[in-house]
Amino acid sequence: DTAVSQTPKYLVTQMGNDKSIKCEQNLGHDTMYWYKQDSKKFLKIMFSYNNKELIINETVPNRFSPKSPDKAHLNLHINSLELGDSAVYFCASSQGQSSGQETQYFGPGTRLLVL
Amino acid sequence: GENVEQHPSTLSVQEGDSAVIKCTYSDSASNYFPWYKQELGKRPQLIIDIRSNVGEKKDQRIAVTLNKTAKHFSLHITETQPEDSAVYFCAASYGATNKLIFGTGTLLAVQP
Repeated sequence: DTAVSQTPKYLVTQMGNDKSIKCEQNLGHDTMYWYKQDSKKFLKIMFSYNNKELIINETVPNRFSPKSPDKAHLNLHINSLELGDSAVYFCASSQGQSSGQETQYFGPGTRLLVL
Repeated sequence: GENVEQHPSTLSVQEGDSAVIKCTYSDSASNYFPWYKQELGKRPQLIIDIRSNVGEKKDQRIAVTLNKTAKHFSLHITETQPEDSAVYFCAASYGATNKLIFGTGTLLAVQP
């Protein structure tokens, strides 16, 4: 009965490869997010989508491309992986976004290691 | 710019003592301030939040205070227990997009 789920949980890959991470929420929320948590535990917003529309697009290399096939899913595709992409990637969701006061619920994270 | 400063970065207390973590934010328009607890290898979990129309909120042993004039908010944990040990993050919202900027985290260790 997981509210926000991500796959895979762990991802180990070689530099230069392309990989995808998937996120799904069953809360009926309209807004989903991707965060990156680096080795120093800094948690930083990357993207958000509201009902399949891109809302937040932070200064992220264009090797990162989010895709939202429907409002319950938000995937993250990463091209030409680099060593610095190694991190934990968290998906989150909220009921909406327009009030700026919506609680965000996090998924379990995907631990990406680029060798 | 968008910035949230959090102090201290580490905090060690004895079981039963109180713990206080402080954050400051840069945008006076910020109106939502959640606190998350992250245990090792786990997801951040919301423990309490406060919106700008209130100055204080309490939930059992946890309380948050907000001073909008000073752009400052704090987390207070009373009667700490070993299971309170974790990294705690404050955050502040920016703009109408529900964008959260997180503080750098506080590693709280409660010694039994």
